[in-house]
Amino acid sequence: AQTVTQSQPEMSVQEAETVTLSCTYDTSESDYYLFWYKQPPSRQMILVIRQEAYKQQNATENRFSVNFQKAAKSFSLKISDSQLGDAAMYFCAFDSGTYKYIFGTGTRLKVLA
Amino acid sequence: DAGITQSPRHKVTETGTPVTLRCHQTENHRYMYWYRQDPGHGLRLIHYSYGVKDTDKGEVSDGYSVSRSKTEDFLLTLESATSSQTSVYFCAISVGLAGADEQFFGPGTRLTVL
Repeated sequence: AQTVTQSQPEMSVQEAETVTLSCTYDTSESDYYLFWYKQPPSRQMILVIRQEAYKQQNATENRFSVNFQKAAKSFSLKISDSQLGDAAMYFCAFDSGTYKYIFGTGTRLKVLA
Repeated sequence: DAGITQSPRHKVTETGTPVTLRCHQTENHRYMYWYRQDPGHGLRLIHYSYGVKDTDKGEVSDGYSVSRSKTEDFLLTLESATSSQTSVYFCAISVGLAGADEQFFGPGTRLTVL
């Protein structure tokens, strides 16, 4: 069975600093998709970034980037120049192309002014 | 905004009563999903649909049923609500190319079963 693990229930970062959120997954598939979602206090789920496993280049979206290590089955999210608005729950998700996501348990990010 | 609405947004009910949550989309996407979110568990898939009258079970389907009689509506029913079904429920749709989907989520429904 495929699993997604987020081992950091909570993280803190100083405003303007950089933080990395960890995600590992387990699968026997070779082609799949990975996602990071943000859930602010409003509860709305917002896609932050996505990565296709067949792409070696790490995805980047403005201040958000990933470190995708396929062999290690690791998919970490780096947030640079952290802002107060980045405070949220962050979920890692996996999709093997079956249209069904598997989510991690989430990491709560606190941004300190 | 992928045009997803959920109703009701909040509901309090009593153990043993039936409850139906509605998800409505405006863009005729084929795939629709129901998740529940609980502390320490993230989001877990309850049921999903891949077309009108085509549904399948997810990870935590016991105690839930779904129906999809129209493309735009996906209903989640708790036949006899229990306190363990107190949760936040999210509907989602899948948008994108085959195998490269991105899921968009509704605003969520907070259900409390007393």
